[in-house]
Amino acid sequence: DTAVSQTPKYLVTQMGNDKSIKCEQNLGHDTMYWYKQDSKKFLKIMFSYNNKELIINETVPNRFSPKSPDKAHLNLHINSLELGDSAVYFCASSHENGRFPVNSYNEQFFGPGTRLTVL
Amino acid sequence: GESVGLHLPTLSVQEGDNSIINCAYSNSASDYFIWYKQESGKGPQFIIDIRSNMDKRQGQRVTVLLNKTVKHLSLQIAATQPGDSAVYFCAERGSYQKVTFGTGTKLQVIP
Repeated sequence: DTAVSQTPKYLVTQMGNDKSIKCEQNLGHDTMYWYKQDSKKFLKIMFSYNNKELIINETVPNRFSPKSPDKAHLNLHINSLELGDSAVYFCASSHENGRFPVNSYNEQFFGPGTRLTVL
Repeated sequence: GESVGLHLPTLSVQEGDNSIINCAYSNSASDYFIWYKQESGKGPQFIIDIRSNMDKRQGQRVTVLLNKTVKHLSLQIAATQPGDSAVYFCAERGSYQKVTFGTGTKLQVIP
Protein backbone atom coordinates (compact mmCIF):
# COMPACT_ATOMS: atom_id res chain seq x y z
CA ASP A 1 0.00 0.00 0.00
CA THR A 2 1.22 3.47 -0.87
CA ALA A 3 2.01 5.43 2.28
CA VAL A 4 1.85 8.92 0.78
CA SER A 5 -0.01 9.24 -2.50
CA GLN A 6 -0.49 12.18 -4.82
CA THR A 7 -2.80 12.75 -7.75
CA PRO A 8 -2.29 13.42 -10.52
CA LYS A 9 1.25 12.25 -11.25
CA TYR A 10 1.45 14.48 -14.31
CA LEU A 11 -0.42 17.71 -14.91
CA VAL A 12 -0.12 19.72 -18.10
CA THR A 13 -2.12 22.91 -18.32
CA GLN A 14 -2.31 26.32 -19.90
CA MET A 15 -1.16 29.51 -18.28
CA GLY A 16 -3.92 31.25 -16.35
CA ASN A 17 -5.77 28.06 -15.42
CA ASP A 18 -6.60 26.93 -11.89
CA LYS A 19 -5.56 23.43 -10.82
CA SER A 20 -5.43 21.26 -7.73
CA ILE A 21 -3.08 18.54 -6.57
CA LYS A 22 -4.30 16.08 -3.99
CA CYS A 23 -2.31 14.33 -1.32
CA GLU A 24 -3.28 11.58 1.05
CA GLN A 25 -1.32 9.66 3.64
CA ASN A 26 -2.36 6.44 5.35
CA LEU A 27 0.41 6.44 7.94
CA GLY A 28 -1.62 8.05 10.68
CA HIS A 29 0.71 11.05 10.68
CA ASP A 30 -0.49 14.37 11.97
CA THR A 31 1.80 16.68 10.01
CA MET A 32 1.86 17.15 6.25
CA TYR A 33 3.96 19.26 3.93
CA TRP A 34 4.19 20.57 0.39
CA TYR A 35 7.55 21.00 -1.31
CA LYS A 36 8.46 22.39 -4.72
CA GLN A 37 11.39 20.94 -6.67
CA ASP A 38 12.65 22.97 -9.58
CA SER A 39 14.48 21.84 -12.70
CA LYS A 40 17.80 21.96 -10.86
CA LYS A 41 16.48 19.52 -8.26
CA PHE A 42 16.35 22.17 -5.57
CA LEU A 43 13.74 21.25 -2.96
CA LYS A 44 12.02 24.03 -1.07
CA ILE A 45 9.31 23.77 1.52
CA MET A 46 6.12 25.66 0.79
CA PHE A 47 3.70 24.78 3.58
CA SER A 48 3.28 22.50 6.52
CA TYR A 49 0.18 21.59 8.49
CA ASN A 50 -0.01 20.01 11.92
CA ASN A 51 -3.41 18.62 12.87
CA LYS A 52 -4.98 20.70 10.12
CA GLU A 53 -3.35 23.86 11.45
CA LEU A 54 -1.00 25.84 9.20
CA ILE A 55 2.47 25.80 10.74
CA ILE A 56 4.85 26.88 8.01
CA ASN A 57 3.93 29.24 5.23
CA GLU A 58 6.96 30.19 3.21
CA THR A 59 7.11 33.14 0.88
CA VAL A 60 4.77 31.59 -1.63
CA PRO A 61 2.47 33.61 -3.88
CA ASN A 62 -1.05 33.71 -2.53
CA ARG A 63 -2.14 32.02 -5.75
CA PHE A 64 -1.13 28.86 -3.88
CA SER A 65 -3.63 27.81 -1.26
CA PRO A 66 -3.26 24.62 0.76
CA LYS A 67 -6.33 22.99 2.22
CA SER A 68 -6.39 20.28 4.83
CA PRO A 69 -9.87 18.78 5.26
CA ASP A 70 -8.51 16.26 7.76
CA LYS A 71 -5.19 14.99 9.09
CA ALA A 72 -4.81 12.48 6.28
CA HIS A 73 -5.21 14.96 3.42
CA LEU A 74 -3.43 18.10 2.31
CA ASN A 75 -4.43 19.44 -1.06
CA LEU A 76 -2.74 22.22 -2.99
CA HIS A 77 -4.79 24.56 -5.12
CA ILE A 78 -3.09 26.90 -7.53
CA ASN A 79 -4.87 29.83 -9.16
CA SER A 80 -3.85 31.66 -12.32
CA LEU A 81 -1.00 29.34 -13.16
CA GLU A 82 2.20 30.90 -14.47
CA LEU A 83 5.08 29.47 -16.47
CA GLY A 84 7.33 29.66 -13.41
CA ASP A 85 5.03 27.32 -11.53
CA SER A 86 6.28 24.45 -13.66
CA ALA A 87 8.04 22.08 -11.28
CA VAL A 88 7.62 18.81 -9.42
CA TYR A 89 5.53 19.18 -6.29
CA PHE A 90 6.04 16.74 -3.45
CA CYS A 91 3.76 16.06 -0.56
CA ALA A 92 5.24 14.63 2.64
CA SER A 93 4.07 13.63 6.08
CA SER A 94 5.57 12.95 9.48
CA HIS A 95 4.44 12.00 12.95
CA GLU A 96 4.82 14.84 15.40
CA ASN A 97 2.38 13.48 17.99
CA GLY A 98 0.40 16.69 17.88
CA ARG A 99 3.26 18.71 19.33
CA PHE A 100 3.49 22.36 18.50
CA PRO A 101 5.87 23.59 17.43
CA VAL A 102 6.46 20.47 15.38
CA ASN A 103 9.39 18.28 16.26
CA SER A 104 11.16 17.29 13.12
CA TYR A 105 13.18 14.54 14.79
CA ASN A 106 10.77 12.27 13.03
CA GLU A 107 11.51 11.53 9.41
CA GLN A 108 9.31 12.82 6.67
CA PHE A 109 7.81 10.38 4.18
CA PHE A 110 7.48 11.74 0.68
CA GLY A 111 4.94 11.05 -2.01
CA PRO A 112 5.93 10.20 -5.59
CA GLY A 113 5.56 13.77 -6.79
CA THR A 114 3.35 15.60 -9.27
CA ARG A 115 5.05 17.02 -12.32
CA LEU A 116 3.30 20.24 -13.25
CA THR A 117 3.95 21.71 -16.68
CA VAL A 118 2.48 25.10 -17.49
CA LEU A 119 2.37 25.96 -21.18
CA GLY B 1 21.01 33.85 5.41
CA GLU B 2 20.57 30.24 6.21
CA SER B 3 21.79 27.82 3.60
CA VAL B 4 22.73 24.26 3.09
CA GLY B 5 25.14 23.54 0.24
CA LEU B 6 27.11 20.73 -1.26
CA HIS B 7 30.69 20.78 -2.51
CA LEU B 8 30.25 18.32 -5.39
CA PRO B 9 27.25 18.36 -7.66
CA THR B 10 28.19 15.02 -9.32
CA LEU B 11 30.17 12.14 -7.90
CA SER B 12 31.24 9.10 -9.93
CA VAL B 13 32.31 6.03 -8.00
CA GLN B 14 33.39 2.57 -9.04
CA GLU B 15 31.13 -0.21 -7.87
CA GLY B 16 32.43 -1.66 -4.64
CA ASP B 17 34.28 1.47 -3.61
CA ASN B 18 33.21 3.70 -0.75
CA SER B 19 31.40 6.97 -1.49
CA ILE B 20 31.60 10.17 0.49
CA ILE B 21 29.10 12.94 -0.10
CA ASN B 22 29.76 16.22 1.65
CA CYS B 23 27.51 19.01 2.79
CA ALA B 24 28.17 22.41 4.33
CA TYR B 25 25.61 24.29 6.34
CA SER B 26 25.65 27.78 7.74
CA ASN B 27 22.95 27.80 10.43
CA SER B 28 24.68 27.06 13.72
CA ALA B 29 21.25 26.82 15.38
CA SER B 30 20.32 23.73 13.38
CA ASP B 31 19.72 20.83 15.74
CA TYR B 32 18.86 17.98 13.43
CA PHE B 33 20.25 16.79 10.11
CA ILE B 34 18.93 14.30 7.62
CA TRP B 35 20.18 12.61 4.47
CA TYR B 36 17.71 11.75 1.75
CA LYS B 37 18.11 9.70 -1.41
CA GLN B 38 16.07 10.53 -4.48
CA GLU B 39 15.92 8.09 -7.37
CA SER B 40 14.81 9.23 -10.77
CA GLY B 41 11.08 9.87 -10.92
CA LYS B 42 10.55 9.27 -7.22
CA GLY B 43 10.23 11.27 -4.07
CA PRO B 44 13.08 11.69 -1.57
CA GLN B 45 13.59 8.74 0.71
CA PHE B 46 15.00 8.97 4.21
CA ILE B 47 18.41 7.35 4.64
CA ILE B 48 19.78 8.39 8.00
CA ASP B 49 19.60 11.25 10.46
CA ILE B 50 21.70 12.71 13.22
CA ARG B 51 21.03 15.12 16.04
CA SER B 52 23.35 17.98 16.83
CA ASN B 53 24.48 16.38 20.10
CA MET B 54 26.09 13.55 18.15
CA ASP B 55 29.05 13.49 15.78
CA LYS B 56 28.58 10.09 14.18
CA ARG B 57 25.79 7.71 13.45
CA GLN B 58 25.87 4.44 11.58
CA GLY B 59 23.25 2.60 9.65
CA GLN B 60 23.37 -0.30 7.28
CA ARG B 61 26.27 0.51 4.90
CA VAL B 62 25.83 4.23 5.61
CA THR B 63 27.47 6.51 8.13
CA VAL B 64 26.76 10.16 8.78
CA LEU B 65 29.41 12.38 10.31
CA LEU B 66 28.68 15.78 11.79
CA ASN B 67 31.36 18.36 12.49
CA LYS B 68 29.70 21.31 14.15
CA THR B 69 32.93 23.22 14.47
CA VAL B 70 33.18 23.69 10.74
CA LYS B 71 29.48 23.16 10.05
CA HIS B 72 30.08 20.13 7.89
CA LEU B 73 28.02 17.01 7.32
CA SER B 74 29.00 13.96 5.33
CA LEU B 75 27.39 10.75 4.18
CA GLN B 76 29.58 7.72 3.70
CA ILE B 77 28.31 4.76 1.72
CA ALA B 78 30.30 1.55 2.03
CA ALA B 79 30.75 -0.83 -0.90
CA THR B 80 28.73 1.33 -3.27
CA GLN B 81 26.30 -0.58 -5.44
CA PRO B 82 24.55 0.32 -8.71
CA GLY B 83 21.32 0.69 -6.75
CA ASP B 84 22.92 3.55 -4.83
CA SER B 85 22.87 5.71 -7.96
CA ALA B 86 20.62 8.63 -7.15
CA VAL B 87 20.62 12.26 -6.06
CA TYR B 88 21.47 12.70 -2.40
CA PHE B 89 20.26 15.62 -0.33
CA CYS B 90 21.34 16.77 3.06
CA ALA B 91 18.77 18.69 5.04
CA GLU B 92 18.83 20.61 8.29
CA ARG B 93 16.22 21.61 10.79
CA GLY B 94 16.82 25.17 11.83
CA SER B 95 14.75 28.06 13.01
CA TYR B 96 11.03 27.54 13.53
CA GLN B 97 11.50 23.79 12.99
CA LYS B 98 11.76 24.34 9.25
CA VAL B 99 13.62 21.69 7.27
CA THR B 100 15.89 23.19 4.61
CA PHE B 101 17.31 21.02 1.86
CA GLY B 102 20.71 21.34 0.25
CA THR B 103 21.20 21.51 -3.49
CA GLY B 104 21.79 17.79 -4.01
CA THR B 105 24.65 15.61 -5.23
CA LYS B 106 24.22 13.13 -8.03
CA LEU B 107 25.96 9.85 -7.32
CA GLN B 108 26.84 7.75 -10.37
CA VAL B 109 28.02 4.22 -9.75
CA ILE B 110 30.20 2.77 -12.47
CA PRO B 111 29.73 -0.99 -12.85
